[in-house]
Amino acid sequence: AQSVAQPEDQVNVAEGNPLTVKCTYSVSGNPYLFWYVQYPNRGLQFLLKYITGDNLVKGSYGFEAEFNKSQTSFHLKKPSALVSDSALYFCAVRDRGGSNYKLTFGKGTLLTVNP
Amino acid sequence: EPEVTQTPSHQVTQMGQEVILRCVPISNHLYFYWYRQILGQKVEFLVSFYNNEISEKSEIFDDQFSVERPDGSNFTLKIRSTKLEDSAMYFCASLLSDTQYFGPGTRLTVL
Repeated sequence: AQSVAQPEDQVNVAEGNPLTVKCTYSVSGNPYLFWYVQYPNRGLQFLLKYITGDNLVKGSYGFEAEFNKSQTSFHLKKPSALVSDSALYFCAVRDRGGSNYKLTFGKGTLLTVNP
Repeated sequence: EPEVTQTPSHQVTQMGQEVILRCVPISNHLYFYWYRQILGQKVEFLVSFYNNEISEKSEIFDDQFSVERPDGSNFTLKIRSTKLEDSAMYFCASLLSDTQYFGPGTRLTVL
């Protein structure tokens, strides 16, 4: 069974500082990894994904994430946080060998960027 | 840019009533999904749908739940007899190029 762990319920950073939201995963085969963001009373917006290739993937709004196979991690990063980045962030995984592409999500990390 | 849409945005119902949640996936997508998020909890997979049939369903998706694509554009989730614990945000998603794109959700409140 596939699973995702987001060890931090909440992350607080000051505007302009770098941010990291942590994610580790477990799948039986090779993973497809995703980050989604959820603003209050809104749906899940796709940020970025790792499928194959370069371990550092870049996504929307200046976010990037690094796939680390040995540590089974896919941490989300941004060099300089904005107040508008404040939202709930979800990491998700699916097994590359799966046939229906269902996603398994972490419990989410609430990011607060303070002005 | 095409988006997944869902109606209604909020549905309030009495326990034991039937509800139908509606979704319009992005038009050229082929796989469709329903997920739910109970308040304060993680997003959970309910069911996937491909080629007009269910391809996988979770333990949550019991006989009270059904899905269909009645007219080639809408994708519906029916809960036959709602329970208090069905109160949640329900998200529809459709798949293109390994990425699922989610709708804004329907908040279901069962009283």
